[in-house]
Amino acid sequence: GENVEQHPSTLSVQEGDSAVIKCTYSDSASNYFPWYKQELGKRPQLIIDIRSNVGEKKDQRIAVTLNKTAKHFSLHITETQPEDSAVYFCAASMEYGNKLVFGAGTILRVKS
Amino acid sequence: NAGVTQTPKFQVLKTGQSMTLQCAQDMNHEYMSWYRQDPGMGLRLIHYSVGAGITDQGEVPNGYNVSRSTTEDFPLRLLSAAPSQTSVYFCASSRTGYNEQFFGPGTRLTVL
Repeated sequence: GENVEQHPSTLSVQEGDSAVIKCTYSDSASNYFPWYKQELGKRPQLIIDIRSNVGEKKDQRIAVTLNKTAKHFSLHITETQPEDSAVYFCAASMEYGNKLVFGAGTILRVKS
Repeated sequence: NAGVTQTPKFQVLKTGQSMTLQCAQDMNHEYMSWYRQDPGMGLRLIHYSVGAGITDQGEVPNGYNVSRSTTEDFPLRLLSAAPSQTSVYFCASSRTGYNEQFFGPGTRLTVL
């Protein structure tokens, strides 16, 4: 089955700097890659997702890139703010597979 | 819309006891799933359902049962609780397994 690895497990950045979180997946049939943000004590919420027919997607300060050949995808957050502090999870799924497999998560701390 | 609701929010069980975690959604989503979240291990899929009457196993199904008699409800049953089942449990729903998943608020379960 699919296996998703996520790095780093923790990331500390200064407010205003950029943050990058990387994930690799094992099943070349996977073609849907969402990112979820979970604030302390809250439920995970989708922040951005990408499908395999595109290589990059942006939404304001957040971008995701996908390299299908290398089987990895990354989350980029620019101009980080204290409210970006949270746990971020990547995930992978196949279109008709119905199983979303998550990475172990990255704790992002933005220091002001 | 209430979205995805879960009850109870907190539960303490003794080893060997059984209980049912409730999950309901009012978005008419076909796909529902149960995850457990443990520190450093991300979200692991327990069971999922692609529609009423259809369920399947995820990554960590042992010790749990599910059923899906209606589109709205997807209860998770612990047959004989064990300390290893101490975790936070999230229910989620989506249009398909290939779309944004909406998570419930979670149930924090402790097994003594």
